[in-house]
Amino acid sequence: DVKVTQSSRYLVKRTGEKVFLECVQDMDHENMFWYRQDPGLGLRLIYFSYDVKMKEKGDIPEGYSVSREKKERFSLILESASTNQTSMYLCASSLGTLNSPLHFGNGTRLTVT
Amino acid sequence: AQTVTQSQPEMSVQEAETVTLSCTYDTSESDYYLFWYKQPPSRQMILVIRQEAYKQQNATENRFSVNFQKAAKSFSLKISDSQLGDAAMYFCAYEDSGGGADGLTFGKGTHLIIQP
Repeated sequence: DVKVTQSSRYLVKRTGEKVFLECVQDMDHENMFWYRQDPGLGLRLIYFSYDVKMKEKGDIPEGYSVSREKKERFSLILESASTNQTSMYLCASSLGTLNSPLHFGNGTRLTVT
Repeated sequence: AQTVTQSQPEMSVQEAETVTLSCTYDTSESDYYLFWYKQPPSRQMILVIRQEAYKQQNATENRFSVNFQKAAKSFSLKISDSQLGDAAMYFCAYEDSGGGADGLTFGKGTHLIIQP
């Protein structure tokens, strides 16, 4: 089974802090994604990557950046955390083929105070 | 941009009964893929079922089946013989055929409650 591991289940940070959310997958998947999940809004794509060192903006990239230095690892960075970034963050990966399903991590619930 | 609409924020069903979750989508593409994902409380999101738009036959996975109406842009999920373990958030998702790297577009989700 594909395993997607997010380094933290819960995280509390202060406004203005730089925050790193880490995600590792163990199935050699080409594609990796960061979604944000908020009640009533569903999942919204922040950034995705289809190869090492490649990244593309999703629907809501403002205030975020990403890093993919190795194929298995995809990091989400909040340069200066703000309270409106309090949310559940989901990492996912998939093969680089059509119709390949997303495999999700358990999520990181981030609270910014 | 594609949009996915789930018009039922919450649904409730008695255990062993059948429930249908609605999903509509908007796209100008003719070839695409549709998915239903399940997110149990405090647990990982997993794929329930998927459908290729070019296939006329509705997908089925055990107790889960879809009613895919391409002309109506509708993709509902039917859960037969509901079980307590089916309680979860269900998300409908769309992917166009332009490539798998762009990510899925998700609906806002339907919270399914199973009444014992």
